[in-house]
Amino acid sequence: KAGVTQTPRYLIKTRGQQVTLSCSPISGHRSVSWYQQTPGQGLQFLFEYFSETQRNKGNFPGRFSGRQFSNSRSEMNVSTLELGDSALYLCASSSLPGGDTDTQYFGPGTRLTVL
Amino acid sequence: AQSVTQLGSHVSVSEGALVLLRCNYSSSVPPYLFWYVQYPNQGLQLLLKYTTGATLVKGINGFEAEFKKSETSFHLTKPSAHMSDAAEYFCALKGSARQLTFGSGTQLTVLP
Repeated sequence: KAGVTQTPRYLIKTRGQQVTLSCSPISGHRSVSWYQQTPGQGLQFLFEYFSETQRNKGNFPGRFSGRQFSNSRSEMNVSTLELGDSALYLCASSSLPGGDTDTQYFGPGTRLTVL
Repeated sequence: AQSVTQLGSHVSVSEGALVLLRCNYSSSVPPYLFWYVQYPNQGLQLLLKYTTGATLVKGINGFEAEFKKSETSFHLTKPSAHMSDAAEYFCALKGSARQLTFGSGTQLTVLP
């Protein structure tokens, strides 16, 4: 079974631009979560989607948004990019929305650099 | 609130020596605990998890961890380090919050 895939793997943008990242979950998984990883803040939760609905959201500004499609694929968008948005963005999929015995499987991440 | 503390941001061991990575947690409800490993330029790979039941959990690549409620700990061990174990290790918790809360990570270096 194929793992979680994320595209693109690397991205370079300039301040003020917007960016869209894509995540395809493991086949059959219906929940997708996004995390931001930076050297200073570590791994921080962005949001979780299940059946095209946002189920949970972390403490990030409204410039960060996401959506999920009927095939469970998910995208996240960052508008008006800032230098501090440079990070590794990780997507994780799981079969249940935050179920107690659920395990999240991570993709390889998208490395975003904002210049 | 829930939190995870990993003691030691960098740990160095000699090849063949015991690996011990420390993780302490805080949770208002019985937690589910995870260890993930991250190699350079890669995502997170699940090593092992504790949900309920047996407190000694065995994972991949010879790693294991023991859940100790009285000490609020979930330390990761491996009897004999291998060069390929060099990576960053993250302890994570799922408690009252729906999402995973991660520790700050421990970079493991294995010396020849």
